[in-house]
Amino acid sequence: GAVVSQHPSRVICKSGTSVKIECRSLDFQATTMFWYRQFPKQSLMLMATSNEGSKATYEQGVEKDKFLINHASLTLSTLTVTSAHPEDSSFYICSAPRAGVIGELFFGEGSRLTVL
Amino acid sequence: KQEVTQIPAALSVPEGENLVLNCSFTDSAIYNLQWFRQDPGKGLTSLLLIQSSQREQTSGRLNASLDKSSGRSTLYIAASQPGDSATYLCAASNSGGSNYKLTFGKGTLLTVNP
Repeated sequence: GAVVSQHPSRVICKSGTSVKIECRSLDFQATTMFWYRQFPKQSLMLMATSNEGSKATYEQGVEKDKFLINHASLTLSTLTVTSAHPEDSSFYICSAPRAGVIGELFFGEGSRLTVL
Repeated sequence: KQEVTQIPAALSVPEGENLVLNCSFTDSAIYNLQWFRQDPGKGLTSLLLIQSSQREQTSGRLNASLDKSSGRSTLYIAASQPGDSATYLCAASNSGGSNYKLTFGKGTLLTVNP
């Protein structure tokens, strides 16, 4: 089946620094990728939709300047948490549909961010 | 705005028992509905995908049903095993194409005791 890889799986950083998380589709192309955030015992909340070759679409309430998204190629999207604060500590998960196939998303393993 | 609710929030059963997880959604005009499994600290594994025109899908010991009119879906797990212990998430999409997005429930934490 389709595989989506995220890196790093865990990251600890100091408050005020920036952290980049990568999401790669390993065996298929993805013109769109989705970034989710999950707090403990809560559902996944869609943060933004990453579009290859164009600007990302952010959900209401998500700060564009804080969560920078870049979709540089058909297999790579990155999420950069800028000037991280402890409240940004969360589990971030990306997902991608296979290009041209509607209806099923493949998820990465997630990235646990801890901001000290 | 679509809202997805899952009941119960947690469930503990002895090994071998058959069980049902429930999912309800407020907007019945869904495109499809998916059930996922999430192990602690991990990403999501897709279990079953039901298109809006379908009533159920089966995979091994899993069977998912969809009743759009009542806004409900159930995930039936037969002969549960300790390895089935995980959080099960239900997610609904209201559109396909470039607007394909999933709305998730909070999940049901399942524990199957040996």
